[in-house]
Amino acid sequence: EPEVTQTPSHQVTQMGQEVILRCVPISNHLYFYWYRQILGQKVEFLVSFYNNEISEKSEIFDDQFSVERPDGSNFTLKIRSTKLEDSAMYFCASSGYGYTFGSGTRLTVV
Amino acid sequence: SQQGEEDPQALSIQEGENATMNCSYKTSINNLQWYRQNSGRGLVHLILIRSNEREKHSGRLRVTLDTSKKSSSLLITASRAADTASYFCADKETSGSRLTFGEGTQLTVNP
Repeated sequence: EPEVTQTPSHQVTQMGQEVILRCVPISNHLYFYWYRQILGQKVEFLVSFYNNEISEKSEIFDDQFSVERPDGSNFTLKIRSTKLEDSAMYFCASSGYGYTFGSGTRLTVV
Repeated sequence: SQQGEEDPQALSIQEGENATMNCSYKTSINNLQWYRQNSGRGLVHLILIRSNEREKHSGRLRVTLDTSKKSSSLLITASRAADTASYFCADKETSGSRLTFGEGTQLTVNP
């Protein structure tokens, strides 16, 4: 069964550093997403991406965040200057008929 | 107001029993989905029910949707210890593509 692949599975970074989280969505899906889940809390929508541009974003997705589809297969989330409160599990997803989520990247900001 | 509120927050049952989890939402939806998450792991899609459907089955899972009450329920029959996980509902509004997740129900199935 097709999968959404995320790398790395765990990233530790210093506060103020830039991080890039990577995702390979399912190849024939057209919508791509990033969600996050702070430990013990519910999953929150960050951004959706369609036709090489952001189609929707939440209030969480401020100027510190950006997304890119640099080639035909990868989809990245960049956090420019990480804060302690950015520590969370970040999930990539893609959708065709239904959603498929990746297994997540656990980001720890120290 | 929060969308996708679920109850109970935690449910502990014995193996073989049925588990029922409920979810409410606040907007008009295109569909509602249920996901499972093992501790610290990824989200696994379980089942999707469209707004014009009232009930759907998949193996030991049964989902109902009541659009008049803006609520859904997930029933897991003949539960197993391996069903222990958090279960989340997520609604997709009629406009936009985002999913709005509920707080989740932590299900523990005791062997």
